[in-house]
Amino acid sequence: DAGVIQSPRHEVTEMGQEVTLRCKPISGHDYLFWYRQTMMRGLELLIYFNNNVPIDDSGMPEDRFSAKMPNASFSTLKIQPSEPRDSAVYFCASSRRVQGLSNTEAFFGQGTRLTVV
Amino acid sequence: ILNVEQSPQSLHVQEGDSTNFTCSFPSSNFYALHWYRWETAKSPEALFVMTLNGDEKKKGRISATLNTKEGYSYLYIKGSQPEDSATYLCAFNADRGSTLGRLYFGRGTQLTVWP
Repeated sequence: DAGVIQSPRHEVTEMGQEVTLRCKPISGHDYLFWYRQTMMRGLELLIYFNNNVPIDDSGMPEDRFSAKMPNASFSTLKIQPSEPRDSAVYFCASSRRVQGLSNTEAFFGQGTRLTVV
Repeated sequence: ILNVEQSPQSLHVQEGDSTNFTCSFPSSNFYALHWYRWETAKSPEALFVMTLNGDEKKKGRISATLNTKEGYSYLYIKGSQPEDSATYLCAFNADRGSTLGRLYFGRGTQLTVWP
């Protein structure tokens, strides 16, 4: 497996534009996480899915942020409209729950570095 | 929100020194404790997943211990090398129905090993 694949790797956009980040989890993983890395907050969980269903989106900062997982192999994180304070590295990660045991470790994508000017 | 604390925040050591850092987590509703290594400009990579009180795991010069009753884990690096320089994150996995599967990350310990 190629691991968790995120695209794009870098995104520079103007304030007010819509931004869509994409993630392909590892095949067979039933958990998918979206994290944001900032200097202020470190690695911050935005939302996570289990079997394509959003479980906890309490970390999504505002209504401008939305995430979807239409199927087991694809998820998007959308920011509309984007603002300069959204500039950060956004990571997608996936893991698998083994019946009766804890989750396996989370496997992270390479991240998308977003810059909103 | 569950609190996961790591200390120290940063650490500078000389090549060859051994070092250790701490992760503190809630002792109730424990399910698993993860350690990750995060190099600059890369993504976090898992080192260990520990589930049982008293667990000890080892990978080369790096080892970790777990105390679920008092809510802490130690990560040890023996004979640090410059390539060990990274941020070491721990993450807590709680055994709660609504948050099952979620990882609560600490802020990490940033280790710099000088040659």
